[in-house]
Amino acid sequence: GAVVSQHPSRVICKSGTSVKIECRSLDFQATTMFWYRQFPKQSLMLMATSNEGSKATYEQGVEKDKFLINHASLTLSTLTVTSAHPEDSSFYICSARGLLGGTDTQYFGPGTRLTVL
Amino acid sequence: QKEVEQNSGPLSVPEGAIASLNCTYSDRGSQSFFWYRQYSGKSPELIMSIYSNGDKEDGRFTAQLNKASQYVSLLIRDSQPSDSATYLCAVARNAGNMLTFGGGTRLMVKP
Repeated sequence: GAVVSQHPSRVICKSGTSVKIECRSLDFQATTMFWYRQFPKQSLMLMATSNEGSKATYEQGVEKDKFLINHASLTLSTLTVTSAHPEDSSFYICSARGLLGGTDTQYFGPGTRLTVL
Repeated sequence: QKEVEQNSGPLSVPEGAIASLNCTYSDRGSQSFFWYRQYSGKSPELIMSIYSNGDKEDGRFTAQLNKASQYVSLLIRDSQPSDSATYLCAVARNAGNMLTFGGGTRLMVKP
């Protein structure tokens, strides 16, 4: 099956610092990757859609200058949380769109738990 | 009205029973439907996808879709304690495109 990795799996940082999260599709090329955020006991909320070689499309209410997304290759997308604050503490999950076994669907990474002190 | 609705639960079933999870959606243009399982602290794992009206079976799992009623369900036969998790229903206009998730139903299978 499709494998999507995220790094780091867990990060703790001080308020005001920036944090970069990597999302990689390991065994397939992903023209589209998605970034989600999940707060405790809530469902996944789509933050942005990232297409290789073009600017990301952000969902309403998500600040593009705060959550910088770069999709430089078909296997790598990065999310940088700039000037992180405690309210940015959350579980960040990426997914990659792939066509495997004739099925076009999204495959999720294991997630990155961000804690901002 | 939420775009994708699920009963938050918890749904409690005894081991070996059938668990029935339900989901309704509001966008009639939806064409692709997915069930994900999410264990606490982990990311979602795809269980089933369904695109046509009717039933689709995979092992102990059966997905049911009724586009006219805008309803999709997941049946889990012979439920096991390891099935205890939150089940997320997701809907998209096209396969692989933006998914809209329901709030999830927490399932508890008791030994």
